[in-house]
Amino acid sequence: AQSVTQLGSHVSVSEGALVLLRCNYSSSVPPYLFWYVQYPNQGLQLLLKYTTGATLVKGINGFEAEFKKSETSFHLTKPSAHMSDAAEYFCAVRDPFYYGGSQGNLIFGKGTKLSVKP
Amino acid sequence: DAGVTQSPTHLIKTRGQHVTLRCSPISGHKSVSWYQQVLGQGPQFIFQYYEKEERGRGNFPDRFSARQFPNYSSELNVNALLLGDSALYLCASSLGGGGGNEQFFGPGTRLTVL
Repeated sequence: AQSVTQLGSHVSVSEGALVLLRCNYSSSVPPYLFWYVQYPNQGLQLLLKYTTGATLVKGINGFEAEFKKSETSFHLTKPSAHMSDAAEYFCAVRDPFYYGGSQGNLIFGKGTKLSVKP
Repeated sequence: DAGVTQSPTHLIKTRGQHVTLRCSPISGHKSVSWYQQVLGQGPQFIFQYYEKEERGRGNFPDRFSARQFPNYSSELNVNALLLGDSALYLCASSLGGGGGNEQFFGPGTRLTVL
């Protein structure tokens, strides 16, 4: 079964500093990979996704992530943090192949709460 | 265009009661998925429906059931509520049911079981 590990339940950075949120997956077949952001009392918003093609993926709000198959990783980065980036971030994977019961569902990590200090 | 809508926004129930949560997908989307997000955890998959048929089920007890209507809206039903059912219930819609289809999430329904 696939699983997702997000290292660090809380990450704190200063405004203007690099943001690095780590995500590793366990799967024998490279899955589709996603990063979502969740602001307090809200649903999930897609930041970016990797399905096929270029392994460096750019998303909204200046975020990007790189798929590294050899490391089974999909870390999220942003060069310069803004106060508005403070939120919870979830990495998720999805089986790329349809075979009935598990088609379409996302498997999420436990999340990383990002704090941005002024 | 309207996004995914869910109702109600908040709900308080007592143990043993039954609850129905509702979801309207984005217009044109034929797949709806339900997720449970317990405080401090990532969302967990409950059900996926595509073209009114169940296409996937997560590891949840039979107290949880769902259905999708001809207009592609969906209901999630939970019977015999337990304290542990307290969570944010998220609905997501997508054009199709395959792995590459982006899922768009609604704001969720916050269920509190007392």
